Amino acid sequence: GNSVTQMEGPVTLSEEAFLTINCTYTATGYPSLFWYVQYPGEGLQLLLKATKADDKGSNKGFEATYRKETTSFHLEKGSVQVSDSAVYFCALSERGQAGTALIFGKGTTLSVSS
Amino acid sequence: KAGVTQTPRYLIKTRGQQVTLSCSPISGHRSVSWYQQTPGQGLQFLFEYFSETQRNKGNFPGRFSGRQFSNSRSEMNVSTLELGDSALYLCASSVQGRDGYTFGSGTRLTVV
Repeated sequence: GNSVTQMEGPVTLSEEAFLTINCTYTATGYPSLFWYVQYPGEGLQLLLKATKADDKGSNKGFEATYRKETTSFHLEKGSVQVSDSAVYFCALSERGQAGTALIFGKGTTLSVSS
Repeated sequence: KAGVTQTPRYLIKTRGQQVTLSCSPISGHRSVSWYQQTPGQGLQFLFEYFSETQRNKGNFPGRFSGRQFSNSRSEMNVSTLELGDSALYLCASSVQGRDGYTFGSGTRLTVV
């Protein structure tokens, strides 16, 4: 079945450090890929998405490129801020089906200190 | 533009009781999905509704059910509550379900 694997956390960085959170997936068909972020006590917010191979999603300084050959969608940011501290989820959804379900990775906790 | 609204935010129920959670999607969004989030299992898909029809269902027992009304608002019901049903229940809406979902803040259910 379809699945998403994220790097284990927590990830602890100093402000202005470079961030990479690895995400790989297993899927049949042609999934869309997403990164969601969850702040304490809140729901999920869509951070960025990519719907086909080689697409690059970007938002608020975060980027991720849909790599079909390596089945990956790694999240990167050049300079993190304390306000980026949150839990990040990689997810996929199958395209082309009448019904859609998001399949999530386990989440990676990011902690940024000043 | 109002976001996805879930009510109530917090709920405490006793084992064996039943509970109904409510979700109002973003105006114009016809697809509504429900997810359960727990520390052990992470985020798991419960079901998706589109135009009042359930078109996708996750691997949960029949105690978990839902419905969608003509105005796209959705409810989720859990009967015969178990301690393991304690979780954050998240509702998400989308125009059609393929291009990403907007999530609500969730309902935190505690079963005692």
